[in-house]
Amino acid sequence: QMQLQESGPGLVKPSETLSLTCSVSGGSISSSSYFWDWIRQPPGKGLEWIASIYYTGGTYYNPSLKSRVTISVDLSKDQFSLRLTSVTAADTAVYYCARRHIERAGNWFDPWGQGTLVTVSS
Amino acid sequence: SYDLTQPPSVSVSPGQTASITCSGDKLGNKFTCWYQQKPGQSPVLVIYQDNKRPSGIPDRFSGSNSGNTATLTISGTQTMDEADYYCQAWDSNAAVFGGGTKLTVL
Repeated sequence: QMQLQESGPGLVKPSETLSLTCSVSGGSISSSSYFWDWIRQPPGKGLEWIASIYYTGGTYYNPSLKSRVTISVDLSKDQFSLRLTSVTAADTAVYYCARRHIERAGNWFDPWGQGTLVTVSS
Repeated sequence: SYDLTQPPSVSVSPGQTASITCSGDKLGNKFTCWYQQKPGQSPVLVIYQDNKRPSGIPDRFSGSNSGNTATLTISGTQTMDEADYYCQAWDSNAAVFGGGTKLTVL
């Protein structure tokens, strides 16, 4: 059964760069059937999609975050990563990684990682 | 940008049917999925492709999507179904989530 696990610093200073990694186990990230995504959730609020990457390196970004976000993939380690620059307190959130199933009849996220809380504070 | 609108809260008595709506422009032309999130836990997929249930999801969960509204229906609601529910669709290669609905079972 596939599992995803986020890792990275839990505290980032304002104006610095947030960097997270998602490790995939129980299957290969090099599958033509899936994208690999980052989604976040500010405390007490709803879900916000951040970015997607395909194993070939193709990417999609949330237009509202695109100027600050980079998503990348490391096939040799079955990992994908997120970088978010110039963070502010508004970027404080639980960050989830998720596998996205891609089919002609819609896409969906399953499974999700357990999430990691990143706090932006000096 | 594309918006999905959900009621902030829905209440239901145990054993009754709960309906949670998700509204968006011509949403029926898109495929919708639904996630359940319990406090302190990650979201779990409960409906995909408008009305399909992943393995392990009870058949009391069902979905529909037509016109401008998608609906998640929980028949015979149980106390364990109390959670936040989010609808999600795709627009212009971007995932869009509804604001979430808190389902209270009392």
